[in-house]
Amino acid sequence: DAKTTQPPSMDCAEGRAANLPCNHSTISGNEYVYWYRQIHSQGPQYIIHGLKNNETNEMASLIITEDRKSSTLILPHATLRDTAVYYCIVAPLELRGSNYKLTFGKGTLLTVNP
Amino acid sequence: GAGVSQTPSNKVTEKGKYVELRCDPISGHTALYWYRQSLGQGPEFLIYFQGTGAADDSGLPNDRFFAVRPEGSVSTLKIQRTERGDSAVYLCASSLRRGNYEQYFGPGTRLTVT
Repeated sequence: DAKTTQPPSMDCAEGRAANLPCNHSTISGNEYVYWYRQIHSQGPQYIIHGLKNNETNEMASLIITEDRKSSTLILPHATLRDTAVYYCIVAPLELRGSNYKLTFGKGTLLTVNP
Repeated sequence: GAGVSQTPSNKVTEKGKYVELRCDPISGHTALYWYRQSLGQGPEFLIYFQGTGAADDSGLPNDRFFAVRPEGSVSTLKIQRTERGDSAVYLCASSLRRGNYEQYFGPGTRLTVT
């Protein structure tokens, strides 16, 4: 699977947009980009995923560059409850009969400040 | 609806003892995963069940670790002759259908081996 690189930590002011970058320069054409987050003392939570088009849901937006070598997760109006470790994961497309295990890195600790 | 639940939430045991960790997945989810998370690291895959069978146990660190899912719902992770290095948070996740990266995680069991 392609490797990802994320900054270890970031800060954001409450109410402002949080933009979390992820580098995945070795991504191949059949790999998705997934984002999860993990609030302290909780299990990881799925946020969003994409292949090559930008995606938006009720939690966040995902912007993937045209060459697909990097992406940005955007939380449009960060709140204190968004303080968490955010994981960017690259994963192969549907694998017939195979294990859809998630390979987590160390992620980015986003701290939202009041 | 009810999410993934794990019991106990905390377990302290002495080196050499046997422990069992339980996971109750979301009702109807056929895929179940166990991960282990050490301090400061992202979760690491241990084992994947599709229904009752362990479809991939390649992440189990050694033969002291074993997991079952006899009726295709509840799963138990079993650790024999525990070692201090087994101390970690053990996370369980389930997903609705075969092979899905959108996984729902439980809160984890924090295992401490003294």
